Amino acid sequence: QQPVQSPQAVILREGEDAVINCSSSKALYSVHWYRQKHGEAPVFLMILLKGGEQKGHEKISASFNEKKQQSSLYLTASQLSYSGTYFCGTERAGSYQLTFGKGTKLSVIP
Amino acid sequence: GAGVSQTPSNKVTEKGKYVELRCDPISGHTALYWYRQSLGQGPEFLIYFQGTGAADDSGLPNDRFFAVRPEGSVSTLKIQRTERGDSAVYLCASSSGLIANTGELFFGEGSRLTVL
Repeated sequence: QQPVQSPQAVILREGEDAVINCSSSKALYSVHWYRQKHGEAPVFLMILLKGGEQKGHEKISASFNEKKQQSSLYLTASQLSYSGTYFCGTERAGSYQLTFGKGTKLSVIP
Repeated sequence: GAGVSQTPSNKVTEKGKYVELRCDPISGHTALYWYRQSLGQGPEFLIYFQGTGAADDSGLPNDRFFAVRPEGSVSTLKIQRTERGDSAVYLCASSSGLIANTGELFFGEGSRLTVL
């Protein structure tokens, strides 16, 4: 039931774009994205509810395709501060808790 | 403080010992979660409290693990007869309501448990 994230890791130069994908085999109610820097707590980025609405957060946006049970996180014009591990968390209807993927490690270099 | 507070930040114990990990959520947050994170993995759900009651404890791996939240605020995760496989960072998170409505889980810095 754990969502599958891809890629596992990606290295970008400052200013480049990246896409991180998250897919589930189960019907989802919502998808949440978090970023965790080494040795720190995960920090909330955004939530996408069933309905396919795309959300944005500065230069980070995401989409949710409920028919395919897939979500994608889009990072544009990456900055050094974007480095970290990105986790998607999926919520099934009535579960009230998140199941997290294994994460995608993003490294932004100058 | 304004954030989720977890103590201890580090705990080293011997196999077979009993440990308690404490979480102090953000004031007023009714929902409290315990997750466990192993190196290189995502957080793994353990238990969810809504107020004082455990609304979902399906993630607790076995009966050596138990958690309480007697007054609907501070929570304690208790692990009996610790095993080396219990070594991980135990994360606590709180939210002001249902996650689909409020969106955000506020995580603490975690308690790193090492079982020798």
